[in-house]
Amino acid sequence: GAVVSQHPSWVICKSGTSVKIECRSLDFQATTMFWYRQFPKQSLMLMATSNEGSKATYEQGVEKDKFLINHASLTLSTLTVTSAHPEDSSFYICSARAGMGTSGPYEQYFGPGTRLTVT
Amino acid sequence: AQSVSQHNHHVILSEAASLELGCNYSYGGTVNLFWYVQYPGQHLQLLLKYFSGDPLVKGIKGFEAEFIKSKFSFNLRKPSVQWSDTAEYFCAVNARTGGFKTIFGAGTRLFVKA
Repeated sequence: GAVVSQHPSWVICKSGTSVKIECRSLDFQATTMFWYRQFPKQSLMLMATSNEGSKATYEQGVEKDKFLINHASLTLSTLTVTSAHPEDSSFYICSARAGMGTSGPYEQYFGPGTRLTVT
Repeated sequence: AQSVSQHNHHVILSEAASLELGCNYSYGGTVNLFWYVQYPGQHLQLLLKYFSGDPLVKGIKGFEAEFIKSKFSFNLRKPSVQWSDTAEYFCAVNARTGGFKTIFGAGTRLFVKA
């Protein structure tokens, strides 16, 4: 159980275009989803937290107008990188957390990641 | 500020050597602790986790970790590493004081020589 998927797994886009990444919780309802980015040979850095039906909360230094997050349902969150530039090339990883209960809110379940390359 | 520190950025071991990777955190109060592994070109996998109870936690692939509250530490150990353990290892922490957002350490890149 507790599977999180991401689509696409790999995307190349041209500078100036926008790209959308989907994150789905397949077998549980995720009241909260998180988006991380990982540069090569670096750790995961939390970008933002989104709760279903609410606006996302962004970490310091993350441009909310550039990284649009929508968490419209309990199983889907999307990250849209707007007007992408080569420096946005990174590995984007989402994670999902179920609501309060015996197995949460302690653990996040991670998706496989999406590798974005901006040319 | 809440943070997670991993002391070793790169570790090189021979097969059958013992492994210990350090992890310290700076959260106050009750914490939940995790170790993840990321094999080359693959996504994160959970090795083990600690929520409460026995501070010595056993995970998959022969890994274990010990939570020492007084030292704010959660070190990862394996008595005998294998070539297939070559990977990057991340310590991660979340806590109520941080809104249960999981924060990662910088990672330790382990290379095991055959």
